[in-house]
Amino acid sequence: SSELTQDPAVSVALGQTVRVTCQGDSLRRYYASWYQQKPGQAPLLVIYGKNSRPSGIADRFSGSSSGDTASLTITEAQAEDEADYYCNSWDSSGYRLFGGGTKLTVL
Amino acid sequence: QVQLQESGPGLVKPSQTLSLTCTVSDGSFTRGTYYWSWIRQPAGKGLEWIGHISSSGSTNYHPSLKSRVIISADASKNQFSLKLSSVTAADTAVYYCAREYMSEMLRLNYFDPWGQGTLVTVSS
Repeated sequence: SSELTQDPAVSVALGQTVRVTCQGDSLRRYYASWYQQKPGQAPLLVIYGKNSRPSGIADRFSGSSSGDTASLTITEAQAEDEADYYCNSWDSSGYRLFGGGTKLTVL
Repeated sequence: QVQLQESGPGLVKPSQTLSLTCTVSDGSFTRGTYYWSWIRQPAGKGLEWIGHISSSGSTNYHPSLKSRVIISADASKNQFSLKLSSVTAADTAVYYCAREYMSEMLRLNYFDPWGQGTLVTVSS
């Protein structure tokens, strides 16, 4: 199906590692891109492709993929990483897909 | 560094047409490697891709909005536009424009950068 599924909420202790996942059939063929969105701000690209970070994105952000699941991993999570995270890909018809978003809380 | 900026009315009456324009700050608008996209986000909800126009002028739209959406471009002004007809309260959202890079060969796509977003409210 042409959908991307994310857990609605995830929490992590300060300084620990957290994985945010995204599941969908399209991810068997295409890589996911990941976006961080803080309240009142536009989404910000943090990971794309196999595991690429745009300039300026901290190296504690990394991406991986296995089968129909893509993952965003944040190593040594910081307070400023608390945000909503969205995955994105596209389907065989060329329609772009977004996951429903995961609210990350840093405890 | 390219910047995108949305502009247009913040209030639209039900049944009317929502019209927004996105201005691109540099010449990347005419380069063939990008798609120019509209994405929206209702308050408290997730992101929804509306559609895009390529540098060559081809368009693709979200299937649920296809009957009401037109995305067009004016390369001479480095602008692309969104028209959404027959709006209802369900179309109330923050509307973003974004530049997308997509490569079938590399099996990847990404939206970067995004405009700051503009809130459009549908209300009488």
